[in-house]
Order: sequence, then C-alpha cells, then structure tokens
Amino acid sequence: DGGITQSPKYLFRKEGQNVTLSCEQNLNHDAMYWYRQDPGQGLRLIYYSQIVNDFQKGDIAEGYSVSREKKESFPLTVTSAQKNPTAFYLCASSITGISYEQYFGPGTRLTVT
Amino acid sequence: AQSVTQLGSHVSVSEGALVLLRCNYSSSVPPYLFWYVQYPNQGLQLLLKYTSAATLVKGINGFEAEFKKSETSFHLTKPSAHMSDAAEYFCAVSEGGSYIPTFGRGTSLIVHP
Repeated sequence: DGGITQSPKYLFRKEGQNVTLSCEQNLNHDAMYWYRQDPGQGLRLIYYSQIVNDFQKGDIAEGYSVSREKKESFPLTVTSAQKNPTAFYLCASSITGISYEQYFGPGTRLTVT
Repeated sequence: AQSVTQLGSHVSVSEGALVLLRCNYSSSVPPYLFWYVQYPNQGLQLLLKYTSAATLVKGINGFEAEFKKSETSFHLTKPSAHMSDAAEYFCAVSEGGSYIPTFGRGTSLIVHP
C-alpha cells in the first residue's frame, strides 16, 4: 500500500534535547511538507521541499531543521532552540503540477518536559 | 495573497440533520480548493477538491461542496449527519500554480444522538 509513515506516534523528550521526527513516503511524490498543529490554530507550515536536496522555510521555521537527501524521506529535527516544541507534527506530500492535493501521515505527538 | 476563513470553530448538529460547514477564501487568481477531515490523533484525509471543473463537487462519505465565485465561498454540506462524521474539518486554498496551500483554522463537527 502506498502512503506516508511517521514514527514514532508518541515521543517524549526532556527540555534541551534535540529530537528527530521521521517521515517516509512511497507515493513517488516530489513535494513534502512539515506542519505543526496546536489546538485552535489549524496547521502551520514549518518547512517544505519540492525536490531532493532543496527545501524552504515555512511560516514557523525557527527552532527546526530538515534534510531531503532522498525523495522518499524528509526528517524534521526539533532543536533545543524551539521555545515551545510540544505539539502534534504532521508530514505531508503532494504531486506537483497537478492539483496539489496533499497526502498526510498519521502524525507524531511530541511532548517536551 | 491567499487566505481562508472558516466560520465557526465548532458546529453542533443532531444525527440525521443537515451538516453545513462554511469556508470563504481570498485569492488573486483562480484557486484550487480543498476540504480535509481529521479524526482525533490522526492525519488529515482529503474529502473533496475543486480544480476549476464542475462547481458542485462530490466527495467521500456523502459530502459535497459548491464553489461560488461571486461569494468567494466553498461551503461543505452533507444532507444527513452520522455519528461517525464527528471530526475536525479543514478548508484549504491553493492559488493556481502554487503547491503551498493555506489552511483554515478548522471546524470541529459535533454530532448528537
């Protein structure tokens, strides 16, 4: 089955530690995205990538970093510089050049204490 | 610039009643419009999309939406609510050619027995 996988589903970290969230897709999509979701705030774009080895900052990139070394993979690192990292993180992908509908992974809930 | 407004952060209906979730958009060029559904602690799933073809779009689970250019609206409807429809619903807009959508803040649909 084609789709997007995110792991782990739940992640707990101590304040001051960096943590990497995994996102893998086997849909052969060019574009990938990371969103942060907080209650009542909808989805906010962190980073996006249209092709391998290229990515752009979204609206709330401060305190986050990404890499895109393979088409299928787009990991997100939440660094200790992120002031309020506890949130639900969603990875998505899309085909570019058509209707740009997005396919989402199941999400990772990160709790930092 | 593109933007989306979803009227009402919560909508409550009785089972069997009409569901109406409102979405208004702003776009300087012909838009692509989407509705997504999110069940608790899950990713988003595409319900339906408008990409400049028929203005009345039918989606999954009995939902449909009508694109009204004069009103800049794309409201989501379902004739008869089911308990399983209880979820968060997001409207999104992509200006033609953009693969970066803008999401509304979401509307939580509550279905009473």
